[in-house]
Amino acid sequence: GQQLNQSPQSMFIQEGEDVSMNCTSSSIFNTWLWYKQDPGEGPVLLIALYKAGELTSNGRLTAQFGITRKDSFLNISASIPSDVGIYFCAGQRVGSGNTGKLIFGQGTTLQVKP
Amino acid sequence: DAMVIQNPRYQVTQFGKPVTLSCSQTLNHNVMYWYQQKSSQAPKLLFHYYDKDFNNEADTPDNFQSRRPNTSFCFLDIRSPGLGDTAMYLCATSSGTGNSNQPQHFGDGTRLSIL
Repeated sequence: GQQLNQSPQSMFIQEGEDVSMNCTSSSIFNTWLWYKQDPGEGPVLLIALYKAGELTSNGRLTAQFGITRKDSFLNISASIPSDVGIYFCAGQRVGSGNTGKLIFGQGTTLQVKP
Repeated sequence: DAMVIQNPRYQVTQFGKPVTLSCSQTLNHNVMYWYQQKSSQAPKLLFHYYDKDFNNEADTPDNFQSRRPNTSFCFLDIRSPGLGDTAMYLCATSSGTGNSNQPQHFGDGTRLSIL
């Protein structure tokens, strides 16, 4: 099925560094979601974005809905070891209507060195 | 407290032996989804229910079936599991409406191994 282009695929950073990851698509979306998945667990919703240009924060996390509606980024400031995991972007397309079907990115694996 | 609960968390079954995975929710959401997630990949949607309406993805194998007896429960049945069906199976819910998309909330998954 269709996927979003998510990058980078993986990151290995030092504790305290800032992190940035993004997703792009050739199609427009009317909702962007960012999830974090720990090993052996289900994805947990971090941030939901509903309007083009919207910038939303959740603690050290900040995400933006691109103005073209075809991209989104997630920033993590001052990373800590518990930020380790896989981060997925997901878009809901215009016309999804009642189903809320998600299109997922390939994921960004984040590792943080203490 | 967990709001989307999947049972069991781990399941090992034999090749060809039918298996059923369970999902329950306390959110009273009208939409329930089943995903398959293989190692290092994104979740892949198998099917979903909007209330009692079943929606199958075009590439979901016939081997995979689902039942939703009421709002709170949804089951994934694999009639004759093959080795390639070894994966994490995720259930998710959302409060679907006609005018807006609502985010999906996931359970912790069932890790299924076919031997």
